[in-house]
Amino acid sequence: GAGVSQSPSNKVTEKGKDVELRCDPISGHTALYWYRQSLGQGLEFLIYFQGNSAPDKSGLPSDRFSAERTGGSVSTLTIQRTQQEDSAVYLCASSGRGLAGKGFGPGTRLTVL
Amino acid sequence: AQSVAQPEDQVNVAEGNPLTVKCTYSVSGNPYLFWYVQYPNRGLQFLLKYITGDNLVKGSYGFEAEFNKSQTSFHLKKPSALVSDSALYFCALTYGGYNKLIFGAGTRLAVHP
Repeated sequence: GAGVSQSPSNKVTEKGKDVELRCDPISGHTALYWYRQSLGQGLEFLIYFQGNSAPDKSGLPSDRFSAERTGGSVSTLTIQRTQQEDSAVYLCASSGRGLAGKGFGPGTRLTVL
Repeated sequence: AQSVAQPEDQVNVAEGNPLTVKCTYSVSGNPYLFWYVQYPNRGLQFLLKYITGDNLVKGSYGFEAEFNKSQTSFHLKKPSALVSDSALYFCALTYGGYNKLIFGAGTRLAVHP
């Protein structure tokens, strides 16, 4: 079946601009996660949605970052007033109930000039 | 605090030789442990997981990992490395009913012909 998809695959923006990154999870998955992978670094947790519960936003690095998940499916990660240190690959993952391995999308590579 | 350590930035192995990629963890309570692989310009792919039961877990592509509670380790192993195994490998942890994956920094595996 279809996996997690993300768009765009690459995004180049100028410092100070806002960007939106999209994630389409695997159909039927109730949990959705955003992670960030900076060059040469591990994966940094950003935010977690589980069903209709309040999202776990504990990993968002600043108030310039926000995310929403509409209708329990598609999610959008928004970064306002982008900074050069925001440059990274942003990965989305989804999972069903239980502890099956989470399916990750291919990521969006964000470059802030 | 919960954490995952991958002590080696890079592991070099000759094709046909056994490989080990190390992972140790710190958690209060019972850990759920995962290995993921990231090929160049690709998303993260799930390899295997340990939840409970047999300490030796077998996964995709001939990989296996051994959970060792006394040493708080979950090393990834393969009896005979292939050049195509060259990739970035991540160990990850979750615990209790908590679904957020905590990742190690990653280990780059290079298999030489």
